[in-house]
Amino acid sequence: DTGVSQNPRHKITKRGQNVTFRCDPISEHNRLYWYRQTLGQGPEFLTYFQNEAQLEKSRLLSDRFSAERPKGSFSTLEIQRTEQGDSAMYLCASSLGTVEAFFGQGTRLTVV
Amino acid sequence: AQTVTQSQPEMSVQEAETVTLSCTYDTSESDYYLFWYKQPPSRQMILVIRQEAYKQQNATENRFSVNFQKAAKSFSLKISDSQLGDAAMYFCAYRSAFRDTDKLIFGTGTRLQVFP
Repeated sequence: DTGVSQNPRHKITKRGQNVTFRCDPISEHNRLYWYRQTLGQGPEFLTYFQNEAQLEKSRLLSDRFSAERPKGSFSTLEIQRTEQGDSAMYLCASSLGTVEAFFGQGTRLTVV
Repeated sequence: AQTVTQSQPEMSVQEAETVTLSCTYDTSESDYYLFWYKQPPSRQMILVIRQEAYKQQNATENRFSVNFQKAAKSFSLKISDSQLGDAAMYFCAYRSAFRDTDKLIFGTGTRLQVFP
């Protein structure tokens, strides 16, 4: 499968714990995006990488959120001290500098 | 700031019939892209169709076509000959054509049900 891969697919964590999600983009795609989707809403932009450089961060990305893309390949999104409001689907997408972005299946986070 | 509005939370259509999903947007930019994405239950979002704002001709992809009205800032999706597999959430999205930003701005979505 050469699509965007996200792991884990589901994550249940207790409030206050740290969680980390991984996204493997389509091979050779230089751009990578993270979005958050809550129930009944469309995806909201969180952050964007071009190769290893993080070029844009949304105000939604509080200090508890950090994203990395070492060597411009896979990316990780870490949430520290999780809160119930962090419960959402976290989507990753990648593109090859063109207009079309390809999405992964997402990681569903539930904070209890 | 740009916004995207989808005023139809749910729509339904009978198999083989035609349905139109509405989308309006707000922007002060002159050049941009508009998209319709389909999100089936528990599956990833896939691109259905896209439109460049500088093109006057409406985009078409097989059974999917758009009605792009730039002055009215309207971008509706028409699905012809609806099939059961078309049942999904449909999101309208906007992207600036300026190179310094790549993010998509999505509407809240329309859930499409297809009845046999």
